[in-house]
Amino acid sequence: ETGVTQTPRHLVMGMTNKKSLKCEQHLGHNAMYWYKQSAKKPLELMFVYNFKEQTENNSVPSRFSPECPNSSHLFLHLHTLQPEDSALYLCASSPQNPGGDYEQYFGPGTRLTVT
Amino acid sequence: LAKTTQPISMDSYEGQEVNITCSHNNIATNDYITWYQQFPSQGPRFIIQGYKTKVTNEVASLFIPADRKSSTLSLPRVSLSDTAVYYCLVGDGTSGTYKYIFGTGTRLKVLA
Repeated sequence: ETGVTQTPRHLVMGMTNKKSLKCEQHLGHNAMYWYKQSAKKPLELMFVYNFKEQTENNSVPSRFSPECPNSSHLFLHLHTLQPEDSALYLCASSPQNPGGDYEQYFGPGTRLTVT
Repeated sequence: LAKTTQPISMDSYEGQEVNITCSHNNIATNDYITWYQQFPSQGPRFIIQGYKTKVTNEVASLFIPADRKSSTLSLPRVSLSDTAVYYCLVGDGTSGTYKYIFGTGTRLKVLA
């Protein structure tokens, strides 16, 4: 248990569906992250939020829409996804960013399958 | 972007010490070196972090030479539960937001 929870743990959705992934951290951190991990590929950073403000968008397609209503919650809204978007989506948090000496705490991930 | 190079896979036996070396020739002056462990279908878990010389905690040691162009993660007396992927990370802070760049990691398999 890392103090970062993600729901749902598994999600199957069609290409025309709209769904949301939720992340919550109970660590009092101010920076939150979304990563994507596809099969046999390295983790890819998608978005970074620091004190609720988005500070990084790593050229992510607009069909992925993040939302950070407060420092404890992070959402990833999904719409009109493609099969190649099937992956493990990981949320992480750290005390703040920038700050290269801060470890990131990862949640268990949401396994997304797009059909 | 700093890049890291580490062996794709390693095998070891229970009770042995495992050393995983990572190259990061382009590390910047203010970059830390961080190692994470990941089990299948789980998020990565922080193991250890260092800037220079040697760092030790309850699970591992991290050796960093003076030029900081490489680092070695040392796992003492591994067990079967240490079978996982180990990532060596050097961050990139050039855009103002500090980003970890994950590579393919080293897949460690501990044999009985």
